[in-house]
Amino acid sequence: QQPVQSPQAVILREGEDAVINCSSSKALYSVHWYRQKHGEAPVFLMILLKGGEQKGHDKISASFNEKKQQSSLYLTASQLSYSGTYFCGTGTNYGGATNKLIFGTGTLLAVQP
Amino acid sequence: DGGITQSPKYLFRKEGQNVTLSCEQNLNHDAMYWYRQDPGQGLRLIYYSQIVNDFQKGDIAEGYSVSREKKESFPLTVTSAQKNPTAFYLCASSTRASLAHNEQFFGPGTRLTVL
Repeated sequence: QQPVQSPQAVILREGEDAVINCSSSKALYSVHWYRQKHGEAPVFLMILLKGGEQKGHDKISASFNEKKQQSSLYLTASQLSYSGTYFCGTGTNYGGATNKLIFGTGTLLAVQP
Repeated sequence: DGGITQSPKYLFRKEGQNVTLSCEQNLNHDAMYWYRQDPGQGLRLIYYSQIVNDFQKGDIAEGYSVSREKKESFPLTVTSAQKNPTAFYLCASSTRASLAHNEQFFGPGTRLTVL
């Protein structure tokens, strides 16, 4: 089942904050976050794991609520370069390994001067 | 420079023709993936390979085929059985098969248009 992202789109002024949410109907082991600019490849931002471990970007923070099966990405003091579509990819644990991700439909973020 | 290359960037084919999309990586990654991206639908997994000479179907494998004869190469063939092949195709790789701790690195993509 594809995770649900909200909001679908958001427009910000430079310096404003935004939160992007990702919810799954399945128990999650890990959540990946990627950003994609139009016509380009997605770029890795963060991995969050069950148990609290994180790996990723210094200037972006995120949370992972295992009980609620959801993750949130926090973009603070947004810059023009933050514009793009943000995807979460959720991983469940198959026999001790997460070997594929299911991606959400994306959140379009536009930062204006 | 290390990375993932996909060729060509744009590809046009007539309906009913098979077409093969190239994906090469020089990152020495074990695992490779193919995704399809349509407007408003995010990334959907077609096939993935955790090791040479082995691959598994993803969520939308019908009408596609792959091979993994070399660690660095994972070509995708879009066959005439794929009912709606026009899409943006992304190849990705990761250090290890387990994505719990390993991020995916994406290639620049191939935009396939079937006329």
